[in-house]
Amino acid sequence: GESVGLHLPTLSVQEGDNSIINCAYSNSASDYFIWYKQESGKGPQFIIDIRSNMDKRQGQRVTVLLNKTVKHLSLQIAATQPGDSAVYFCAEPLFFDNYGQNFVFGPGTRLSVLP
Amino acid sequence: DAGITQSPRHKVTETGTPVTLRCHQTENHRYMYWYRQDPGHGLRLIHYSYGVKDTDKGEVSDGYSVSRSKTEDFLLTLESATSSQTSVYFCAISRTGGTDTQYFGPGTRLTVL
Repeated sequence: GESVGLHLPTLSVQEGDNSIINCAYSNSASDYFIWYKQESGKGPQFIIDIRSNMDKRQGQRVTVLLNKTVKHLSLQIAATQPGDSAVYFCAEPLFFDNYGQNFVFGPGTRLSVLP
Repeated sequence: DAGITQSPRHKVTETGTPVTLRCHQTENHRYMYWYRQDPGHGLRLIHYSYGVKDTDKGEVSDGYSVSRSKTEDFLLTLESATSSQTSVYFCAISRTGGTDTQYFGPGTRLTVL
């Protein structure tokens, strides 16, 4: 079946360095992807999204890259800060009826920022 | 958390007892969702609603029922809780279907002994 996954379950980076979190997807027809951040004890928080007609999208300190050829997403965080420590999920839509949609979520990558 | 509250935030119950979790939103969004989150798994959809009294099943709906009598409230009921339903439950909302972004509540941690 179709699935969304992550290459690395954990990632440790030094404060101030850049972080890169990767995600592979298997549905070549997927046309929209979202990155969420989940801090300990909280619900997932929307970070940034990208549509398949784009290769790159930038937000505040975050950039998402989409490589449709190899079905790969990455989230880049510039100048990583302690507040960036969290679990990061990628998600793609899964249409399952005429009324709505669901997202398929990866299990997440835990980002730890070292002082 | 985008005007979404969940209650209770924590609950411990015994096997076989009924449990109801509540999601309340102040955003007037049409769509509401219930997910469960377990270690090693991504978020998995239990049920969703596309309007008042309009609900449908998700990926892991067995053992769960839902109701939505008002736009702002979406209830998740475990008719007879089992230990396999120990999990963290998240409610989410979105304005429309399609590729509209979902926004999540703070979660409810449920332990079934």
